[in-house]
Amino acid sequence: NAGVTQTPKFRVLKTGQSMTLLCAQDMNHEYMYWYRQDPGMGLRLIHYSVGEGTTAKGEVPDGYNVSRLKKQNFLLGLESAAPSQTSVYFCASSYSQDGDYGYTFGSGTRLTVV
Amino acid sequence: KNEVEQSPQNLTAQEGEFITINCSYSVGISALHWLQQHPGGGIVSLFMLSSGKKKHGRLIATINIQEKHSSLHITASHPRDSAVYICAVEPYNTDKLIFGTGTRLQVFP
Repeated sequence: NAGVTQTPKFRVLKTGQSMTLLCAQDMNHEYMYWYRQDPGMGLRLIHYSVGEGTTAKGEVPDGYNVSRLKKQNFLLGLESAAPSQTSVYFCASSYSQDGDYGYTFGSGTRLTVV
Repeated sequence: KNEVEQSPQNLTAQEGEFITINCSYSVGISALHWLQQHPGGGIVSLFMLSSGKKKHGRLIATINIQEKHSSLHITASHPRDSAVYICAVEPYNTDKLIFGTGTRLQVFP
């Protein structure tokens, strides 16, 4: 089915470990985003990409890195996980066509850092 | 003060009731989005508005750009409508969204 796929869905990390979250979309969308969702707060933008080979910082980029080597994939890396990075992570992609645009979100990755 | 405020934060209703969720924002925007998130689930885009009103099934979304306010209405609510409804705005000249904290709706049979 077309859409945004995130892997893994769940992960537990120990403090200091590293991991990569994968986001894949098959809709040929140019823009892709990584957000984190924490209790009592709105989604916050970590990093985003406006096209293959480009990335930019969002609102809360510290402790994260991203890469967009292929248009369909947007990777989020944690080099040295910290308990403050315990969160639910959402990837999204967006399109813009003929004045209309919209967003498609993945199903989320629940990450716990102990 | 958050740039996007939603009210109420929590809402309970009996099946069949008419529901209204409000969103106020403080920045100039090019568009406003309403999203739905079921417990433990992903986020689904319901509407994107830049003016006026949109309707999809039992859901109606309106926006008043001058008053910086939007409402999401659910007619004849049903338990399957139970979810968190999130308002997000797209400020002028940005490619980014600013999200509200969501309204948790529970509809009981």
